[in-house]
Amino acid sequence: EDQVTQSPEALRLQEGESSSLNCSYTVSGLRGLFWYRQDPGKGPEFLFTLYSAGEEKEKERLKATLTKKESFLHITAPKPEDSATYLCAVGAGNMLTFGGGTRLMVKP
Amino acid sequence: EAQVTQNPRYLITVTGKKLTVTCSQNMNHEYMSWYRQDPGLGLRQIYYSMNVEVTDKGDVPEGYKVSRKEKRNFPLILESPSPNQTSLYFCASRPNGGVSSNEQFFGPGTRLTVL
Repeated sequence: EDQVTQSPEALRLQEGESSSLNCSYTVSGLRGLFWYRQDPGKGPEFLFTLYSAGEEKEKERLKATLTKKESFLHITAPKPEDSATYLCAVGAGNMLTFGGGTRLMVKP
Repeated sequence: EAQVTQNPRYLITVTGKKLTVTCSQNMNHEYMSWYRQDPGLGLRQIYYSMNVEVTDKGDVPEGYKVSRKEKRNFPLILESPSPNQTSLYFCASRPNGGVSSNEQFFGPGTRLTVL
């Protein structure tokens, strides 16, 4: 059974304080590791797809990396507008399995 | 504007009263899917559809039905809702069926309460 675990569940940062979110996974036949951002009361918004170990992708202050067992979402010098829940999901077969998410709060 | 729409956005109903949540996408996507999101359990897939007239069960299909008669629409049907189906529901679509294909677009969500 595919499993995705995200840590920490919640993270409070000061503006400018860089940190990383973790996504550990077990899946048979990984066909993609996905990161999404979800704002309160809204649907998840796509950020990145990673396909193979060693791959990295960047978007503004966010950088996602992938190993064979986990993925990290690095946030560099975050701003209050980066506050959201970040979701990780693994693709196998025709479905996605999501982790529980990390709720990020960035204080000014 | 490319989007996934859901209706209604909020619904309060009673146990056993059949309801339908509609989902429509205007991007000509082949793949559509329904998820429910519950505190502590994350997003879980209910049903998905690879194309018109092709549907399959996700991880939590019990108590739900779907149909895909047109490419753009993928309604979620609760024949006899129960309180344990109180949840936040999301519809999503992506260009084609392969998971390794492009990003999945999510609708705004439907908050359902079953009393």
